[in-house]
Amino acid sequence: SQTIHQWPATLVQPVGSPLSLECTVEGTSNPNLYWYRQAAGRGLQLLFYSVGIGQISSEVPQNLSASRPQDRQFILSSKKLLLSDSGFYLCAWGDRVDEQYFGPGTRLTVT
Amino acid sequence: GENVEQHPSTLSVQEGDSAVIKCTYSDSASNYFPWYKQELGKRPQLIIDIRSNVGEKKDQRIAVTLNKTAKHFSLHITETQPEDSAVYFCAASDGGSQGNLIFGKGTKLSVKP
Repeated sequence: SQTIHQWPATLVQPVGSPLSLECTVEGTSNPNLYWYRQAAGRGLQLLFYSVGIGQISSEVPQNLSASRPQDRQFILSSKKLLLSDSGFYLCAWGDRVDEQYFGPGTRLTVT
Repeated sequence: GENVEQHPSTLSVQEGDSAVIKCTYSDSASNYFPWYKQELGKRPQLIIDIRSNVGEKKDQRIAVTLNKTAKHFSLHITETQPEDSAVYFCAASDGGSQGNLIFGKGTKLSVKP
């Protein structure tokens, strides 16, 4: 069966510091991968999606970036965090065009 | 692009009663409509989904209905239990080749014992 991992689970970072969040998927190959952000008590905002290695599409302009160095690895990065980057970051995968399954998430607090 | 509206934003029911959450979408090319349940502090979990070639789907106490003509779909939970308390999100596929989902803003369901 498929499993999705995210780390770290929680993170507290000062404003202006860099960020790297990692997501890996097991048990499938060539999945679609997604990064979402959820602000406290709010809905899901799609940040990036990828249909293959090195293929990244961005949904919203921001100071975040994403990379997919391996088939089942998806990384979310920032060079300098802003207070507004705080939130619950969720990675999701899908091996069909539309179904998506979420990872456990990373709760980021920027101070 | 696709837009998904979800109502109500909060819903409180007594244990044993039914709960209904409704969503509307704008893009007639959308053909996949999942529902997710998110408990406090946890990830959204896919609980049921429906495709455009089906009008209704049931799984024990939950069911989803789809009206393609009116562009709306609904989640029905019968015999609600306290453990059904959570935020529920509907979503619709954006109709594009990437298969992205557009989410509603969520409904906070509270089931009172």
